[in-house]
Amino acid sequence: KQEVTQIPAALSVPEGENLVLNCSFTDSAIYNLQWFRQDPGKGLTSLLLIQSSQREQTSGRLNASLDKSSGRSTLYIAASQPGDSATYLCAVRISGSARQLTFGSGTQLTVLP
Amino acid sequence: GAVVSQHPSRVICKSGTSVKIECRSLDFQATTMFWYRQFPKQSLMLMATSNEGSKATYEQGVEKDKFLINHASLTLSTLTVTSAHPEDSSFYICSAERRGVGETQYFGPGTRLLVL
Repeated sequence: KQEVTQIPAALSVPEGENLVLNCSFTDSAIYNLQWFRQDPGKGLTSLLLIQSSQREQTSGRLNASLDKSSGRSTLYIAASQPGDSATYLCAVRISGSARQLTFGSGTQLTVLP
Repeated sequence: GAVVSQHPSRVICKSGTSVKIECRSLDFQATTMFWYRQFPKQSLMLMATSNEGSKATYEQGVEKDKFLINHASLTLSTLTVTSAHPEDSSFYICSAERRGVGETQYFGPGTRLLVL
């Protein structure tokens, strides 16, 4: 059974810092991995989707990497802003016919002004 | 972009009543929708996979008679929490998989259920 772990559970940084969020998964037979943002009491906003054949994806100040063999992904946020404060979730979709996502427990990020 | 809506966004009900939550894909057809629940400060846990025109597939530990799922059309899936109890209070989120573009799920804004 796929298990997804995110470290740290919470992170607080001053504005302007670059930061890295970590995600690890136990089964490397994944179809893709996705990073989401969730604001308190809200739904999920997809940030980046990395296919299993890819090693990274970039969108603006965000860069996500994927190392399937080691079961790890990182989300790099450059020049953090208070508006980046949210919970960041990673989720993996396993290979095969099953299409559901398995989520990590998230990292709660606070960017201090 | 693909938009998924949920209704209602918040609901408060008395213990023992049933509550229906709708999940709609507004600008695309979704052959498959997923229902998740999220407890405070915890991650999303898949409850069931809903396929249009067929019975939902429930995850282990999820009571199908308590959480009724109907996926009657390519744009609508409903989750009915029957005989709700306080322990059913949670945040319920649906997602829809775009027909023909299976790699991405689009998530709804969630429904906050509080059972008194």
